[in-house]
Amino acid sequence: NAGVTQTPKFQVLKTGQSMTLQCAQDMNHNSMYWYRQDPGMGLRLIYYSASEGTTDKGEVPNGYNVSRLNKREFSLRLESAAPSQTSVYFCASILTSGGETQYFGPGTRLLVL
Amino acid sequence: KQEVTQIPAALSVPEGENLVLNCSFTDSAIYNLQWFRQDPGKGLTSLLLIQSSQREQTSGRLNASLDKSSGRSTLYIAASQPGDSATYLCAVSNQAGTALIFGKGTTLSVSS
Repeated sequence: NAGVTQTPKFQVLKTGQSMTLQCAQDMNHNSMYWYRQDPGMGLRLIYYSASEGTTDKGEVPNGYNVSRLNKREFSLRLESAAPSQTSVYFCASILTSGGETQYFGPGTRLLVL
Repeated sequence: KQEVTQIPAALSVPEGENLVLNCSFTDSAIYNLQWFRQDPGKGLTSLLLIQSSQREQTSGRLNASLDKSSGRSTLYIAASQPGDSATYLCAVSNQAGTALIFGKGTTLSVSS
């Protein structure tokens, strides 16, 4: 089991460029999440998907879109990157049967110039 | 709105010391509480998960307690080691399968 994997590990963008962050899990989990982590702010939820085919906004969704491609994959897209989106992005997943530990990927470090 | 606070923000101790990290939350109607460890530049590793019906969980030198009524949890680390140096994050879930609400973490440094 690879657990939760994320690509790329690091990315530099110019303002206005677009990119997609990829996340995949091989644990047959139902729910998947995208968080961002900023110094002094902790981790904040961007979007989540409770099950295949559904997505919902979290605390800080502006400037992002998501796609739950299938049960394994959940991607995060920045259509027009802004310096305020410089952050570390974490994907996570959970089985959703109740009482389960949430598993995190290694993160993607994004720098927007 | 649920808010999670961790005190202290940073802690430095000599090797071998027992220590306690604190976590408080504003809404006692939680589903579960998790403690994570994060090493610099790395992802989050789950340490302990406490269900709302439980009072504590133990794993090796770690013991986490939960007092829902007072909105508090503690992470006790026994006989600290330099390898315990990391940031420790507390997070609560309000419902099954929902996203976690995180505190800002306590950065621990254990000196040899």
